[in-house]
Amino acid sequence: AQSVAQPEDQVNVAEGNPLTVKCTYSVSGNPYLFWYVQYPNRGLQFLLKYITGDNLVKGSYGFEAEFNKSQTSFHLKKPSALVSDSALYFCAVRGLYNQGGKLIFGQGTELSVKP
Amino acid sequence: GAVVSQHPSRVICKSGTSVKIECRSLDFQATTMFWYRQFPKQSLMLMATSNEGSKATYEQGVEKDKFLINHASLTLSTLTVTSAHPEDSSFYICSARALDEKLFFGSGTQLSVL
Repeated sequence: AQSVAQPEDQVNVAEGNPLTVKCTYSVSGNPYLFWYVQYPNRGLQFLLKYITGDNLVKGSYGFEAEFNKSQTSFHLKKPSALVSDSALYFCAVRGLYNQGGKLIFGQGTELSVKP
Repeated sequence: GAVVSQHPSRVICKSGTSVKIECRSLDFQATTMFWYRQFPKQSLMLMATSNEGSKATYEQGVEKDKFLINHASLTLSTLTVTSAHPEDSSFYICSARALDEKLFFGSGTQLSVL
């Protein structure tokens, strides 16, 4: 079965410093991986996705993620964090075709960026 | 970009009443919509997959008679929480899959059952 894991419940970063939010995956076949961000009491906003191609994927708001097949990881990164990046981040993998293509989410990581 | 409108954004109801949540794709057709439930600072748990014109597929452990899903058109799916109880209080989020397979999320509905 497809799954993703986010090992950190919370990540704290100082503004201006680089940030990393970790995600590892377990899939059958080629993974379709996603990152979403959620602000309080809001729905999810799409950040980026990996399907095929370059291992480094660039997304919205300056975020990028690196697909690493050998480590089965898809960590989210940003070179310089902003206070406004503080939010809940979800890694997700697309389910198998016979699962209706649903997204399976990780546990979420709360990112806190302090001035 | 594509927009999914979810209404209402917040609802407070008495125990025993039913609540309907609407999910509309405003500028695209959604053959499939997904309904999720989320507890504070936790992940999204898929409740059901809704396909236009057919019965919804519920995840294990989700009561289909409790959470009625209707997907009558390519732009509208509704979730009705029947005979709501305080333990149904949660944040409910819908997402819609466009014909090009992209997924778009609604802004969520905070349900509080007193």
